[in-house]
This record gives sequence, C-alpha cells and structure tokens, in this order.
Amino acid sequence: EVQLVESGGDLVQPGGSLRLSCAASGFTFNSYWMNWVRRAPGKGPEWVANIKEDGSESYYVDSVRGRFTISRDNAKNSLYLQINSLRADDTGVYYCARGWPPSFWGQGTLVTVSS
Amino acid sequence: DVVLTQTPLSLSVTPGQAASFSCKSSQSLLKSDGKTYFFWYVQRPGQPPNLLIYEASKRFSGVPDRFSGSGSGTDFTLTISRVEAEDVGVYYCMQGFQYPLTFGGGTKVEIK
Repeated sequence: EVQLVESGGDLVQPGGSLRLSCAASGFTFNSYWMNWVRRAPGKGPEWVANIKEDGSESYYVDSVRGRFTISRDNAKNSLYLQINSLRADDTGVYYCARGWPPSFWGQGTLVTVSS
Repeated sequence: DVVLTQTPLSLSVTPGQAASFSCKSSQSLLKSDGKTYFFWYVQRPGQPPNLLIYEASKRFSGVPDRFSGSGSGTDFTLTISRVEAEDVGVYYCMQGFQYPLTFGGGTKVEIK
C-alpha cells in the first residue's frame, strides 16, 4: 500500500525554522518526482516546491525561494522541507505529494506561525 | 505566473443530475509535445486532494467514468454526469505548463 506520512509541523514564532519530513512506503521512491504543496486556512492549494527523482533538480514558488529548501534521501525513502524565516502567511497544512503531476498525497502536517 | 479562474464558486446539485464547472487559463496550456498540461483535483472534507483528470481529458486510475474532462488551450470543463453524495467537496484545476504550478480558486460542490 502506498503511504506518505508527513511530520514536523508545529506552532512556531515568526522568524523561526522547521524541518518537515515525509516518510514514503509502498512504492519505489527513487522513481518519482516529489512535491510539497500547502493549503492555507480558507484558501486553495498552493504548490510550494518539487524535486527530481535523483535530487538533481528542484523548483520553488517565488514566495518561498531562498527561505525553503526541498531535499530527499532516497536511501531512507524520505522527503524533507527545511523552512526558515517563517512568516504568518506560511501557516497551513503542508502536504507531501508523489509524482508529476502530484497524484498521491499524504494527510499533511500543520504549520502554524504565530507569536 | 499562469492564473486559473474557476466558475462558479459553488454549486448545489441534486443527486443523479449532471454538474459542470469551468476553469479558464490566462494562457494556453498546450505544449509543443502535443500534451495539454491541465489537471482536475477534488478535495473532499478532511482529505487531501485527489487527482481526477490529467492532460485535460484523461481519467486518472480508479476515477469513476461519471467524471469527464474536456477543453483545450485556455478553456476547460469538468463534468459529473450523475452526481452522487460522495462527490461533495471542492474541485480545483491545476496547470503544469510552467513553474510555478498553480491552482484555481476552486468550485465547491454541495448536494441538495
């Protein structure tokens, strides 16, 4: 069974940092692009970043470039998102999603940025 | 960035009836490889988004055949031929023509 399990979400003060993780199982992880997509309260999904199968390419939405870093460890079947300089508008549920287009999503992890 | 505009914002449908909603793109989503990089998702309450349609008109694995996608270039439509209670949720279009990938604002479907 394909599973994506996100973790690492928390309540953080503005300017803080978090590292989100996504544990993948049930499929050949190193055969898929992987994505992070977030959903702010009351809004639609916003694609954040993705990374190629071997980690050699990655892309970001402008609003996070320079603050967020996507990475993966294919030996551990894991995807990561390092989030720095957090802002209130980064608040939301962060989903890990497999493939291009994103075709299988985890349940998400909640990031709340508030003082 | 490519802007996707969905209409209507919400729709109330009687079970068994058809429903259609629209998504318009700010630019053509047809690439030189002949593929249209346009997708439909549904996010049901408490669930992550599920991919329904890819390349504008192809049903993703496991998606019931009552869902169909049509359109090309900049104008797209998702049709549910016979709405069922489980179809409640918010339907989003997404483009993969260029980075950043962008989503429309969504159409909320409710059952009467």
